[in-house]
Amino acid sequence: DTGVSQNPRHKITKRGQNVTFRCDPISEHNRLYWYRQTLGQGPEFLTYFQNEAQLEKSRLLSDRFSAERPKGSFSTLEIQRTEQGDSAMYLCASSRGAASYEQYFGPGTRLTVT
Amino acid sequence: QKEVEQDPGPLSVPEGAIVSLNCTYSNSAFQYFMWYRQYSRKGPELLMYTYSSGNKEDGRFTAQVDKSSKYISLFIRDSQPSDSATYLCAMSLPGANNLFFGTGTRLTVIP
Repeated sequence: DTGVSQNPRHKITKRGQNVTFRCDPISEHNRLYWYRQTLGQGPEFLTYFQNEAQLEKSRLLSDRFSAERPKGSFSTLEIQRTEQGDSAMYLCASSRGAASYEQYFGPGTRLTVT
Repeated sequence: QKEVEQDPGPLSVPEGAIVSLNCTYSNSAFQYFMWYRQYSRKGPELLMYTYSSGNKEDGRFTAQVDKSSKYISLFIRDSQPSDSATYLCAMSLPGANNLFFGTGTRLTVIP
């Protein structure tokens, strides 16, 4: 069990650029979640996949954000036309079966938009 | 009003002290209650989860849930400097997929 991995760990980009993050969940976990965490706050839910299907999206996920999970394995989160307000830690988590309460998080990708 | 409230601290205690961390919540439908530990610039690490009311113990950590008061606690016995981190409570609704987090309490254990 190698845990959830995320790449890159840090990303600095200029406003208006597109960025893409990758998440590799724990191998036997079929559920995958994206959260966003800003300084001094707890993680906030963005979206959820069961296998390759994106089943839930938060209101926080504006149309500049898109997430995919082809073949139900790794997932990508893309932010188009980044804004300074997108600066945050983007966290990926995974869980097994119906145990959505038992989510294991990756180390996160810290995004800074200048 | 946020669904999950947590005192952000910071909380400083001497090594060996018993630490009490707490959260309150407003939605009585929350069913699972989790505690995560997050070191600076790292992802949250699941410490333990509890279903409905009651206590759960794991080593130096004890989680308590009081649904009648909508109040949950995490106790850390014999606290160590390595326990210095931010502790996040989280909750889930039946059949839901997302977790609702508190803001986290920053704990420092002084040697």
